[in-house]
Amino acid sequence: SAVISQKPSRDICQRGTSLTIQCQVDSQVTMMFWYRQQPGQSLTLIATANQGSEATYESGFVIDKFPISRPNLTFSTLTVSNMSPEDSSIYLCSVGGRLNYGYTFGSGTRLTVV
Amino acid sequence: TQLLEQSPQFLSIQEGENLTVYCNSSSVFSSLQWYRQEPGEGPVLLVTVVTGGEVKKLKRLTFQFGDARKDSSLHITAAQPGDTGLYLCASHSGNTPLVFGKGTRLSVIA
Repeated sequence: SAVISQKPSRDICQRGTSLTIQCQVDSQVTMMFWYRQQPGQSLTLIATANQGSEATYESGFVIDKFPISRPNLTFSTLTVSNMSPEDSSIYLCSVGGRLNYGYTFGSGTRLTVV
Repeated sequence: TQLLEQSPQFLSIQEGENLTVYCNSSSVFSSLQWYRQEPGEGPVLLVTVVTGGEVKKLKRLTFQFGDARKDSSLHITAAQPGDTGLYLCASHSGNTPLVFGKGTRLSVIA
Protein backbone atom coordinates (compact mmCIF):
# COMPACT_ATOMS: atom_id res chain seq x y z
CA SER A 1 0.00 0.00 0.00
CA ALA A 2 1.01 3.63 -0.49
CA VAL A 3 2.91 5.59 2.14
CA ILE A 4 1.79 9.16 2.80
CA SER A 5 3.85 11.87 4.41
CA GLN A 6 1.66 14.65 5.82
CA LYS A 7 2.84 17.89 7.34
CA PRO A 8 2.68 19.77 9.55
CA SER A 9 1.65 17.27 12.19
CA ARG A 10 0.19 20.03 14.32
CA ASP A 11 -0.08 23.78 14.44
CA ILE A 12 -1.60 26.52 16.55
CA CYS A 13 -2.81 29.43 14.44
CA GLN A 14 -4.34 32.83 15.01
CA ARG A 15 -7.88 33.41 13.82
CA GLY A 16 -8.07 35.10 10.43
CA THR A 17 -4.89 33.48 9.14
CA SER A 18 -4.49 30.55 6.73
CA LEU A 19 -2.65 27.26 6.98
CA THR A 20 -1.56 25.01 4.13
CA ILE A 21 -1.28 21.29 4.76
CA GLN A 22 0.82 19.13 2.46
CA CYS A 23 0.59 15.46 1.56
CA GLN A 24 3.24 13.57 -0.37
CA VAL A 25 2.58 10.05 -1.60
CA ASP A 26 5.33 7.58 -2.47
CA SER A 27 3.54 6.42 -5.62
CA GLN A 28 1.39 7.94 -8.32
CA VAL A 29 -2.31 7.98 -7.51
CA THR A 30 -5.25 9.28 -9.48
CA MET A 31 -7.40 10.52 -6.63
CA MET A 32 -6.53 11.96 -3.26
CA PHE A 33 -9.07 12.70 -0.57
CA TRP A 34 -9.12 15.27 2.21
CA TYR A 35 -11.03 14.59 5.42
CA ARG A 36 -11.78 16.58 8.55
CA GLN A 37 -12.11 14.98 11.97
CA GLN A 38 -13.58 17.27 14.59
CA PRO A 39 -12.72 16.58 18.25
CA GLY A 40 -14.11 13.24 19.35
CA GLN A 41 -15.82 12.67 16.01
CA SER A 42 -15.51 10.48 12.96
CA LEU A 43 -14.09 11.52 9.60
CA THR A 44 -16.01 13.77 7.21
CA LEU A 45 -14.96 14.08 3.59
CA ILE A 46 -14.06 17.62 2.53
CA ALA A 47 -13.16 17.07 -1.11
CA THR A 48 -11.72 14.77 -3.73
CA ALA A 49 -8.62 16.04 -5.54
CA ASN A 50 -7.91 14.80 -9.06
CA GLN A 51 -4.75 15.73 -10.87
CA GLY A 52 -5.41 18.07 -13.74
CA SER A 53 -8.88 19.15 -12.73
CA GLU A 54 -10.59 21.13 -10.01
CA ALA A 55 -11.33 19.42 -6.75
CA THR A 56 -14.84 18.14 -6.07
CA TYR A 57 -16.21 19.46 -2.78
CA GLU A 58 -18.76 17.82 -0.53
CA SER A 59 -21.84 19.60 0.74
CA GLY A 60 -20.92 22.16 3.35
CA PHE A 61 -17.39 22.73 2.08
CA VAL A 62 -16.43 25.41 -0.44
CA ILE A 63 -13.35 26.17 -2.48
CA ASP A 64 -12.89 29.67 -1.06
CA LYS A 65 -12.56 28.26 2.44
CA PHE A 66 -10.64 25.07 1.57
CA PRO A 67 -8.68 25.59 -1.65
CA ILE A 68 -6.92 22.46 -2.84
CA SER A 69 -4.01 22.04 -5.21
CA ARG A 70 -3.03 18.86 -7.02
CA PRO A 71 -0.04 19.74 -9.19
CA ASN A 72 1.00 16.14 -9.90
CA LEU A 73 0.09 12.53 -9.17
CA THR A 74 2.05 12.33 -5.91
CA PHE A 75 1.29 15.59 -4.14
CA SER A 76 -1.62 17.67 -2.87
CA THR A 77 -2.21 20.58 -0.55
CA LEU A 78 -5.23 21.72 1.42
CA THR A 79 -5.42 25.29 2.69
CA VAL A 80 -7.68 26.25 5.55
CA SER A 81 -8.41 29.93 4.90
CA ASN A 82 -9.48 32.77 7.19
CA MET A 83 -9.49 30.41 10.14
CA SER A 84 -11.82 30.60 13.12
CA PRO A 85 -11.86 28.47 16.29
CA GLU A 86 -14.54 26.29 14.66
CA ASP A 87 -11.89 25.10 12.20
CA SER A 88 -9.96 23.44 15.02
CA SER A 89 -9.86 19.82 13.90
CA ILE A 90 -7.64 17.08 12.61
CA TYR A 91 -7.23 17.19 8.85
CA LEU A 92 -6.25 14.00 7.03
CA CYS A 93 -5.36 13.17 3.47
CA SER A 94 -5.99 9.77 2.00
CA VAL A 95 -5.49 7.74 -1.12
CA GLY A 96 -7.68 4.88 -2.21
CA GLY A 97 -6.54 1.39 -2.92
CA ARG A 98 -7.74 -0.79 -5.68
CA LEU A 99 -11.34 -1.93 -5.61
CA ASN A 100 -12.20 -3.50 -2.27
CA TYR A 101 -8.79 -2.68 -0.85
CA GLY A 102 -8.25 -0.30 2.00
CA TYR A 103 -7.49 3.36 1.90
CA THR A 104 -4.23 4.69 3.30
CA PHE A 105 -4.21 7.80 5.45
CA GLY A 106 -1.66 10.36 6.39
CA SER A 107 -1.02 10.73 10.11
CA GLY A 108 -3.08 13.90 10.20
CA THR A 109 -2.61 17.57 11.00
CA ARG A 110 -3.97 18.67 14.35
CA LEU A 111 -5.02 22.30 13.94
CA THR A 112 -5.89 24.56 16.84
CA VAL A 113 -7.18 28.04 16.08
CA VAL A 114 -6.97 30.58 18.88
CA THR B 1 -24.53 8.94 0.01
CA GLN B 2 -24.75 5.77 2.04
CA LEU B 3 -25.27 6.38 5.76
CA LEU B 4 -23.54 4.07 8.19
CA GLU B 5 -24.97 3.66 11.67
CA GLN B 6 -22.42 2.45 14.17
CA SER B 7 -23.02 1.35 17.76
CA PRO B 8 -22.23 1.67 20.52
CA GLN B 9 -20.62 5.09 20.36
CA PHE B 10 -18.57 4.55 23.52
CA LEU B 11 -17.48 1.37 25.24
CA SER B 12 -15.40 1.00 28.38
CA ILE B 13 -14.59 -2.53 29.50
CA GLN B 14 -12.22 -4.45 31.72
CA GLU B 15 -9.28 -6.36 30.31
CA GLY B 16 -10.29 -9.90 29.38
CA GLU B 17 -13.92 -9.10 28.53
CA ASN B 18 -15.48 -9.66 25.12
CA LEU B 19 -17.23 -6.99 23.08
CA THR B 20 -19.09 -6.50 19.81
CA VAL B 21 -19.37 -3.38 17.67
CA TYR B 22 -22.07 -3.04 15.02
CA CYS B 23 -22.33 -1.23 11.70
CA ASN B 24 -25.62 -0.98 9.80
CA SER B 25 -27.02 0.67 6.72
CA SER B 26 -30.39 0.84 5.01
CA SER B 27 -28.59 0.23 1.70
CA VAL B 28 -26.60 -2.71 0.48
CA PHE B 29 -22.84 -2.43 0.87
CA SER B 30 -20.71 -3.31 -2.13
CA SER B 31 -17.95 -3.88 0.39
CA LEU B 32 -17.26 -2.77 3.92
CA GLN B 33 -14.07 -1.94 5.72
CA TRP B 34 -13.14 -1.72 9.37
CA TYR B 35 -10.46 0.69 10.53
CA ARG B 36 -8.79 1.38 13.85
CA GLN B 37 -7.45 4.80 14.74
CA GLU B 38 -5.12 5.61 17.59
CA PRO B 39 -4.49 9.14 18.91
CA GLY B 40 -2.21 11.16 16.65
CA GLU B 41 -2.52 8.73 13.77
CA GLY B 42 -4.71 8.24 10.74
CA PRO B 43 -7.08 5.25 10.52
CA VAL B 44 -5.45 1.93 9.69
CA LEU B 45 -7.30 -0.74 7.77
CA LEU B 46 -8.14 -3.90 9.72
CA VAL B 47 -10.20 -5.82 7.19
CA THR B 48 -12.34 -5.61 4.06
CA VAL B 49 -15.43 -7.80 3.73
CA VAL B 50 -17.07 -8.28 0.38
CA THR B 51 -19.25 -11.39 0.30
CA GLY B 52 -22.55 -11.70 2.19
CA GLY B 53 -22.13 -14.03 5.18
CA GLU B 54 -18.37 -13.68 5.12
CA VAL B 55 -16.44 -14.15 8.36
CA LYS B 56 -12.84 -13.04 8.73
CA LYS B 57 -10.57 -13.45 11.71
CA LEU B 58 -7.58 -11.35 12.68
CA LYS B 59 -6.11 -12.81 15.87
CA ARG B 60 -8.68 -11.98 18.58
CA LEU B 61 -10.84 -9.94 16.20
CA THR B 62 -13.70 -11.56 14.26
CA PHE B 63 -15.47 -9.66 11.50
CA GLN B 64 -18.83 -10.71 10.08
CA PHE B 65 -20.67 -9.43 7.03
CA GLY B 66 -24.42 -9.90 7.03
CA ASP B 67 -26.02 -12.19 4.49
CA ALA B 68 -27.85 -9.25 2.94
CA ARG B 69 -24.70 -7.10 3.01
CA LYS B 70 -26.46 -4.38 4.99
CA ASP B 71 -24.73 -4.93 8.31
CA SER B 72 -21.44 -5.96 9.79
CA SER B 73 -20.01 -6.65 13.22
CA LEU B 74 -16.62 -6.64 14.87
CA HIS B 75 -16.17 -8.95 17.85
CA ILE B 76 -13.11 -8.75 20.09
CA THR B 77 -12.34 -11.67 22.38
CA ALA B 78 -10.46 -11.17 25.64
CA ALA B 79 -9.86 -7.48 25.07
CA GLN B 80 -6.50 -6.03 26.03
CA PRO B 81 -5.46 -2.43 26.81
CA GLY B 82 -3.69 -2.36 23.44
CA ASP B 83 -7.09 -2.68 21.75
CA THR B 84 -8.02 0.79 22.99
CA GLY B 85 -8.82 3.12 20.11
CA LEU B 86 -11.47 4.41 17.75
CA TYR B 87 -13.02 1.70 15.57
CA LEU B 88 -14.59 2.89 12.34
CA CYS B 89 -16.61 1.12 9.71
CA ALA B 90 -16.50 2.57 6.22
CA SER B 91 -17.83 1.85 2.79
CA HIS B 92 -17.77 3.13 -0.74
CA SER B 93 -19.47 2.23 -4.01
CA GLY B 94 -17.62 2.20 -7.29
CA ASN B 95 -15.54 5.35 -7.56
CA THR B 96 -17.25 7.21 -4.74
CA PRO B 97 -15.05 8.23 -1.80
CA LEU B 98 -14.93 6.33 1.44
CA VAL B 99 -17.73 7.22 3.87
CA PHE B 100 -17.31 6.52 7.57
CA GLY B 101 -19.62 5.62 10.39
CA LYS B 102 -19.50 7.75 13.54
CA GLY B 103 -17.11 5.34 15.20
CA THR B 104 -16.91 3.41 18.44
CA ARG B 105 -14.47 4.70 21.00
CA LEU B 106 -13.19 1.69 22.95
CA SER B 107 -11.35 1.90 26.23
CA VAL B 108 -9.96 -1.29 27.75
CA ILE B 109 -8.98 -0.91 31.37
CA ALA B 110 -6.24 -3.07 32.84
